Amino acid sequence: AQRVTQPEKLLSVFKGAPVELKCNYSYSGSPELFWYVQYSRQRLQLLLRHISRESIKGFTADLNKGETSFHLKKPFAQEEDSAMYYCALASGYSTLTFGKGTMLLVSP
Amino acid sequence: DGGITQSPKYLFRKEGQNVTLSCEQNLNHDAMYWYRQDPGQGLRLIYYSQIVNDFQKGDIAEGYSVSREKKESFPLTVTSAQKNPTAFYLCASSIEGRYQPQHFGDGTRLSIL
Repeated sequence: AQRVTQPEKLLSVFKGAPVELKCNYSYSGSPELFWYVQYSRQRLQLLLRHISRESIKGFTADLNKGETSFHLKKPFAQEEDSAMYYCALASGYSTLTFGKGTMLLVSP
Repeated sequence: DGGITQSPKYLFRKEGQNVTLSCEQNLNHDAMYWYRQDPGQGLRLIYYSQIVNDFQKGDIAEGYSVSREKKESFPLTVTSAQKNPTAFYLCASSIEGRYQPQHFGDGTRLSIL
């Protein structure tokens, strides 16, 4: 069965520090992975997807099939990056399996 | 902003009562989804629908029911059989397909009186 693991419930860093939010997955097929973000008082929204190989708001994520990981990285954290981050795996034709989420707190 | 509208924002249910949560979208998306969000649990899929008049159970469908009579609407009924209904419920929609992002509503918080 498919599974997404985000090992950290909370990640606290100082402004300007590098950030890495971990995501590991278990899936027998070809994985399609996403990162979603929920800022305070805003809707859950797509941050990036691995198929696009894009950088959004300075964040990048590389799919590592050998390590079954899709970690989210940013070289220099900003206070406005504070939010709840969810890693998600496309587990069916259009359905997603979400991890439990990691709260990122960026302190000044 | 438009997109997906969930109502009400807050809902209270008495013991033994069924309640229905509304979800409407104006994005012309074929697929719609209902998730339950509990603290520390992430999002868990309740039901989803890929086309009008068809829907499938997700991971935690017991105690819930849905209908999809119109493309724009996907209401969720929390029945009295759902023994722990207190949660935050999120509705989403997407263009059909594995690579398509899901667009979420603001959610409905359901509490038991």
